[in-house]
Amino acid sequence: DTGVSQDPRHKITKRGQNVTFRCDPISEHNRLYWYRQTLGQGPEFLTYFQNEAQLEKSRLLSDRFSAERPKGSFSTLEIQRTEQGDSAMYLCASSARDRGGTGELFFGEGSRLTVL
Amino acid sequence: AQSVTQLDSQVPVFEEAPVELRCNYSSSVSVYLFWYVQYPNQGLQLLLKYLSGSTLVKGINGFEAEFNKSQTSFHLRKPSVHISDTAEYFCAVTLNFGNEKLTFGTGTRLTIIP
Repeated sequence: DTGVSQDPRHKITKRGQNVTFRCDPISEHNRLYWYRQTLGQGPEFLTYFQNEAQLEKSRLLSDRFSAERPKGSFSTLEIQRTEQGDSAMYLCASSARDRGGTGELFFGEGSRLTVL
Repeated sequence: AQSVTQLDSQVPVFEEAPVELRCNYSSSVSVYLFWYVQYPNQGLQLLLKYLSGSTLVKGINGFEAEFNKSQTSFHLRKPSVHISDTAEYFCAVTLNFGNEKLTFGTGTRLTIIP
């Protein structure tokens, strides 16, 4: 069990560029979540997958954001035409099915995005 | 929709003193409550959770929390803190039993003074 890993850890980009973040969850965890955290705030839910199916998306996730989990393992979060307001820490978390219950989220260390 | 309020953004405490970090939630239906901790340069990790049953919940590292439905609170406590408890603490709530779509508070930064 190597934990949730995220790549890259830091990304600096110019406004208008596209960026992609990758998350590798704990193996055999079937649920994968993306959250966003801005300075002085708690994490905010963006979207989640159960296996390869994207089950819910927050209204925070504009059309410029897209997330995939093609084989039910790793996930990518792409932001197109970045804006300065997209600057934040993007957190990935995974959890194991808990007989339909609410399980523990295991978080990665996050990918920090700075849009200049 | 549910929400969480963490009343203190920063709490300084002397080492070996007790601490209470406050969390209030608002919801008209049953909720499930969590405390997560984020140590410097690490990802968030679960301290404890309340799903049902006993209102006093014990977690890791000597922390405990009490669910109080009438006060809509879920305060976190530790009787004697250590330098290693320096971290950011987040209270979170969900209405959804069956997934981990959480609403987090803004966090409380606990600083332990030697």
